[in-house]
Amino acid sequence: SQTIHQWPATLVQPVGSPLSLECTVEGTSNPNLYWYRQAAGRGLQLLFYSVGIGQISSEVPQNLSASRPQDRQFILSSKKLLLSDSGFYLCAWSVLPGHGTGELFFGEGSRLTVL
Amino acid sequence: GQNIDQPTEMTATEGAIVQINCTYQTSGFNGLFWYQQHAGEAPTFLSYNVLDGLEEKGRFSSFLSRSKGYSYLLLKELQMKDSASYLCAVFDSNYQLIWGAGTKLIIKP
Repeated sequence: SQTIHQWPATLVQPVGSPLSLECTVEGTSNPNLYWYRQAAGRGLQLLFYSVGIGQISSEVPQNLSASRPQDRQFILSSKKLLLSDSGFYLCAWSVLPGHGTGELFFGEGSRLTVL
Repeated sequence: GQNIDQPTEMTATEGAIVQINCTYQTSGFNGLFWYQQHAGEAPTFLSYNVLDGLEEKGRFSSFLSRSKGYSYLLLKELQMKDSASYLCAVFDSNYQLIWGAGTKLIIKP
């Protein structure tokens, strides 16, 4: 069966510090991978998605970046965090639309607080 | 622009039935999802509708009318554990997933 893990689960970082969140998927090949952010009481905002190794699409301009160094690994990074980067970050995977319903399977989430 | 509307918050009583509505205006349509999200946790998949009609899955049912741009999630025999946010999301013509802000459902004893 397929599983997805992301870490760390919780982190508190000072403004201006770097960030690295990691996500790995097991049990499937060539998944679509996504990074979302959810502000408190708000909907999901798509940050990045990837359809293959080294292929990253950015949805919003920001000081965040993403990389996909391996088929089932997706990393979210920042060189210098801003207060506005605080939120709940979710990694997700899906199969290609047309190969299933395209539903998203989410990792456990990473709660980031920037102080 | 693309938009999904759902009520911000609803309250219901344990054992009762509640209907959560979702209306959408998107560039094309390739399916509608409902997800459940408990506080502090990741969303989990509940249902998928791509054709008009009702899909039933245990205590949960989801309805879709493509001509009206409308869906609802029906929860029966409400339990306290159903207290959560319910997110509506639509695939547009490019298979981009458009999310609603979610409906927070509060269940009272």
